[in-house]
Amino acid sequence: AQTVTQSQPEMSVQEAETVTLSCTYDTSESDYYLFWYKQPPSRQMILVIRQEAYKQQNATENRFSVNFQKAAKSFSLKISDSQLGDAAMYFCAYRREGKLIFGQGTELSVKP
Amino acid sequence: DAGVIQSPRHEVTEMGQEVTLRCKPISGHNSLFWYRQTMMRGLELLIYFNNNVPIDDSGMPEDRFSAKMPNASFSTLKIQPSEPRDSAVYFCASTGRTSPLAKNIQYFGAGTRLSVL
Repeated sequence: AQTVTQSQPEMSVQEAETVTLSCTYDTSESDYYLFWYKQPPSRQMILVIRQEAYKQQNATENRFSVNFQKAAKSFSLKISDSQLGDAAMYFCAYRREGKLIFGQGTELSVKP
Repeated sequence: DAGVIQSPRHEVTEMGQEVTLRCKPISGHNSLFWYRQTMMRGLELLIYFNNNVPIDDSGMPEDRFSAKMPNASFSTLKIQPSEPRDSAVYFCASTGRTSPLAKNIQYFGAGTRLSVL
């Protein structure tokens, strides 16, 4: 069974600093997709970044980047130059055969 | 595009009543998903459709829950009878190969917050 683990229930970062959110997953598959979603207080689920497992290059989207370690089954999210608007719940998700399996989430607070 | 549209945004009902949640996927998408979010269980998939056909309903908690997708632009999730433990946020998401960049990405609606008293 595929499981996704986010070991940090809460994280805090100073505005303009960098923070890394951790995610590990368990799978026996070799081809899959990984995602990070952001859920602000409005509760809207917003895609932050995705990674295709067959690509060795780490995905980046502006201030957001991932450190994808396939052998270690690790998929961490790095947020650079943190902004107040980055405060939200962040969910790591694994996709296989169409379904998304989510981690429990990490609540990120940004201090001004 | 308007995105995935869910209605209502909020629903308050009494135990035993029937509840119907609605979802309109993004035009051109061929897969639709229903998720439930609770504090205890997090985000979990209830059911998903591909080309209007239910593919996996293993996450549907019990017979009180049912979902339909009569056409490509509309789906419902019904709870009958509702119970207090059904209180949660219910999300609908859709995906489809409308563009190479959008492939395999699930786009979520704003969710329906259900409270069963």
